[in-house]
Amino acid sequence: AQSVAQPEDQVNVAEGNPLTVKCTYSVSGNPYLFWYVQYPNRGLQFLLKYITGDNLVKGSYGFEAEFNKSQTSFHLKKPSALVSDSALYFCAVRDPTSGTYKYIFGTGTRLKVLA
Amino acid sequence: DVKVTQSSRYLVKRTGEKVFLECVQDMDHENMFWYRQDPGLGLRLIYFSYDVKMKEKGDIPEGYSVSREKKERFSLILESASTNQTSMYLCASSLLGADTQETQYFGPGTRLLVL
Repeated sequence: AQSVAQPEDQVNVAEGNPLTVKCTYSVSGNPYLFWYVQYPNRGLQFLLKYITGDNLVKGSYGFEAEFNKSQTSFHLKKPSALVSDSALYFCAVRDPTSGTYKYIFGTGTRLKVLA
Repeated sequence: DVKVTQSSRYLVKRTGEKVFLECVQDMDHENMFWYRQDPGLGLRLIYFSYDVKMKEKGDIPEGYSVSREKKERFSLILESASTNQTSMYLCASSLLGADTQETQYFGPGTRLLVL
C-alpha cells in the first residue's frame, strides 16, 4: 500500500535562512511525487512534481525538491525563506503502477517564516 | 486560466439533513476528486471519478456518495449528515492519462459545519 509521511507538524525558520520541509514515502514501484501549498483561507496550489528524469525538481516561488530513491524521500527546499512563504505544505504520492488515479497526501507541515 | 469552483464557501447543516456539495471545473479535465481536510489528518480522499458516470471509492467513502452526470461537474452527497462530517471539503480536477500532467487543480474549499 502506498503512504506518505511528513514527520514535522511545524517548521520555524528565520527570514533569509534556507528551509527544508521533509517528506518520505512508501510505494511498491517508482513513485510520482508532488508538493502543494495552502495559504490561509485558500485552496491548495501546485508547487512542483517529480514524474521522471532529473532527481532535482524546480518549482514555483523558488522552491525545489530532490527525489532520493534510496532514502525514499522528497524533501522540499528553498535557499532563502520569505515571510510570505508561511503556509501549510502538503506532500503527495501516486503509484503509477497501481492502475488507479488515487493520490495519497501527507498530514501537512506548517511553515512559519519569522521576520 | 484554470478554474475549479465550489458552490459554497461555508455551509451550516443539521444532523440528518441531506447535503449536496457541488464542484465545477472549466478545464475539460477527465479526473475529478473529493477530499476532506482535517487538522492533523491532512487530506483524505473520499471519492474520485475518471469519466462521466464513473466513480471509484477513496479511503473514506462511508457516509458519502457522488454523482458525475456531466464532465465538468462532480457532486458530493452526504446522505444523512452527522457531526463527524464537519470538515473542510476540497474538490480537485486533473487530466487523465498524461504522465507529464498529473497536476491537480483545487477549488477554494467548502467549510461544512454539521450541528
